[in-house]
Amino acid sequence: GQNIDQPTEMTATEGAIVQINCTYQTSGFNGLFWYQQHAGEAPTFLSYNVLDGLEEKGRFSSFLSRSKGYSYLLLKELQMKDSASYLCAVRGAAGNKLTFGGGTRVLVKP
Amino acid sequence: GAVVSQHPSRVICKSGTSVKIECRSLDFQATTMFWYRQFPKQSLMLMATSNEGSKATYEQGVEKDKFLINHASLTLSTLTVTSAHPEDSSFYICSARSANQPQHFGDGTRLSIL
Repeated sequence: GQNIDQPTEMTATEGAIVQINCTYQTSGFNGLFWYQQHAGEAPTFLSYNVLDGLEEKGRFSSFLSRSKGYSYLLLKELQMKDSASYLCAVRGAAGNKLTFGGGTRVLVKP
Repeated sequence: GAVVSQHPSRVICKSGTSVKIECRSLDFQATTMFWYRQFPKQSLMLMATSNEGSKATYEQGVEKDKFLINHASLTLSTLTVTSAHPEDSSFYICSARSANQPQHFGDGTRLSIL
C-alpha cells in the first residue's frame, strides 16, 4: 500500500518562501507529482520528479530523495494567488494510478 | 498543453436519479482515464481506473454497480452514478493521461443530491 504525509496547513507572507514537505512509504515507486488546487476547482499539474534531485520551474521547485522517501515543493516570491491546497501524489510500481496525500493548505497573507 | 474537458460542471437533482458525467481528452489520446471523488476539505480519493475498451478497475469499497464506467474510445470516458442518494453528493473529478505523461484533470463536477 501507499502512505503519504504532508502538513495540513501553512501560512506565509507575500513575497516570502514556503517549503511544503511530503514523506511517503510505498510498495513501489514510479514518480512523485505535485498539484495545485484552488478551492472548488480541479487540481492543476505543477511538477514531476522520478530521479533524485531538484527540478526548477520558475517560482516553483520540487525536490526528491528516493532513499529517504521524501520530497518538498518550494514556492518562492509568494503571491496572493498562490493561496491554495498543494497535493503530493505518488505513482506506484504498477505504473498507472496516483495516490494522493491529504494536501497542504497554504495561506498567503499580505 | 493537455486539455481534459468534463461535463456537466454542476448537477442538482432528486434522490433516486441517475447522473451521467462525461470526461473527454481534447488534444491527446488518453490510454487511461481515472475517476476521483473529493469530499469537502479532503484529498482526492481514486474510485476507478479505466482503460479504453476494457472493464474499469475499481478501488476497494467502491460499488461497481452503483458507479458505472464506460470508456468507449481513447478520448471519452463516462461515469454514471445510478440511483443517487444524498450521501453521493460530492465533487467528482476525472483525469486522463497518455503514456509517460502526467495526469491532467478535468474541471470537476459538483453533484448535489436533494
